[in-house]
Amino acid sequence: GENVEQHPSTLSVQEGDSAVIKCTYSDSASNYFPWYKQELGKGPQLIIDIRSNVGEKKDQRIAVTLNKTAKHFSLHITETQPEDSAVYFCAASSPNTGFQKLVFGTGTRLLVSP
Amino acid sequence: DGGITQSPKYLFRKEGQNVTLSCEQNLNHDAMYWYRQDPGQGLRLIYYSQIVNDFQKGDIAEGYSVSREKKESFPLTVTSAQKNPTAFYLCASSTQSGTSYNEQFFGPGTRLTVL
Repeated sequence: GENVEQHPSTLSVQEGDSAVIKCTYSDSASNYFPWYKQELGKGPQLIIDIRSNVGEKKDQRIAVTLNKTAKHFSLHITETQPEDSAVYFCAASSPNTGFQKLVFGTGTRLLVSP
Repeated sequence: DGGITQSPKYLFRKEGQNVTLSCEQNLNHDAMYWYRQDPGQGLRLIYYSQIVNDFQKGDIAEGYSVSREKKESFPLTVTSAQKNPTAFYLCASSTQSGTSYNEQFFGPGTRLTVL
């Protein structure tokens, strides 16, 4: 089955710096890659997603890139702000099971210092 | 206000007791999911349901049971057979997926602690 690895597990940056989180996946049939942000004590919230027919997607300060050949995708946050501090999860979805099963990475704790 | 609600927020259980976690959604979603989250790990799928009166085991279903009698409700029972039940439990829902891409919306979670 699908396996998703995520790095780093912890990332500390200064306010205004960029942050990059990387994920790799194993199932070449995976075709949907969402990123979720989880604040302390809350459920994850989708912040951006990308389909396998697209190489890059951007939404204001957040961008995601996908390299299907290498089977990895990355989240880029520019001009980081203290409110970006949270745990970020990547996920991959394969339709092989007949429904959209999400397999999650282990999460990256991002700390943005003022 | 549309969304997913989970109750209770915190739950304490003695060993050997069954406990039921509530999940309700008013988003009119067909599909619902239960995940377990442990420190330093990603979310792992326990059970999912694509339609009323039907549900399937996920990757870690042992020691858990669910029901889906109504579209808006998907309760999870943690039984005494679950060896390590202390965890953060998340419920999610989405429009019917099939092989298409649909955002999963998550509830606020229930933190279960076994004493």
